[in-house]
Amino acid sequence: GENVEQHPSTLSVQEGDSAVIKCTYSDSASNYFPWYKQELGKGPQLIIDIRSNVGEKKDQRIAVTLNKTAKHFSLHITETQPEDSAVYFCAASPQGAQKLVFGQGTRLTINP
Amino acid sequence: NAGVTQTPKFQVLKTGQSMTLQCAQDMNHEYMSWYRQDPGMGLRLIHYSVGAGITDQGEVPNGYNVSRSTTEDFPLRLLSAAPSQTSVYFCASSYERWNYGYTFGSGTRLTVV
Repeated sequence: GENVEQHPSTLSVQEGDSAVIKCTYSDSASNYFPWYKQELGKGPQLIIDIRSNVGEKKDQRIAVTLNKTAKHFSLHITETQPEDSAVYFCAASPQGAQKLVFGQGTRLTINP
Repeated sequence: NAGVTQTPKFQVLKTGQSMTLQCAQDMNHEYMSWYRQDPGMGLRLIHYSVGAGITDQGEVPNGYNVSRSTTEDFPLRLLSAAPSQTSVYFCASSYERWNYGYTFGSGTRLTVV
């Protein structure tokens, strides 16, 4: 089955700097890769996603890149702000499977 | 439009007790699922449903039962609670089985003593 590895587990950056979180997946047939943000005491919230026919997608300060050959995808947050502090999860959806497989999560802290 | 509503928010059970975690959505989503969240392990799929009357197992189904009699509701039953089931449980829903933009509930924190 699909296995998703996420790194780093914790990340601390200065406000205004960029943050990058990386995930690798094992099933080459996976075709959907979302990223979720979880604030303290809340459920995860979808922030951006990408499908296997696209290499990059941007939404304001957030971008996701996908390298299908290497089977990895990354979340990029530019000009970080204190409200970006949260736990971020990547996930992958194997083709034909009615489910998402999540990474272990990254706790991102933005230092003022 | 409340989204995905989970009840209760907190629960303490004794080993061997049973209980049902409730999940309801008002978005007419066909797909619903239950995940548990444990430190360092991300979100692991317990059970899911692609529509009323249809359920299937995820990665960690042992000790849990589900049913889907309506589109709106997807309860998760703990048959005989064990300390290993101490976790935060999240219910999620999605409009279509192939549109995986999940909407999550706010979670139920369960402690089994």
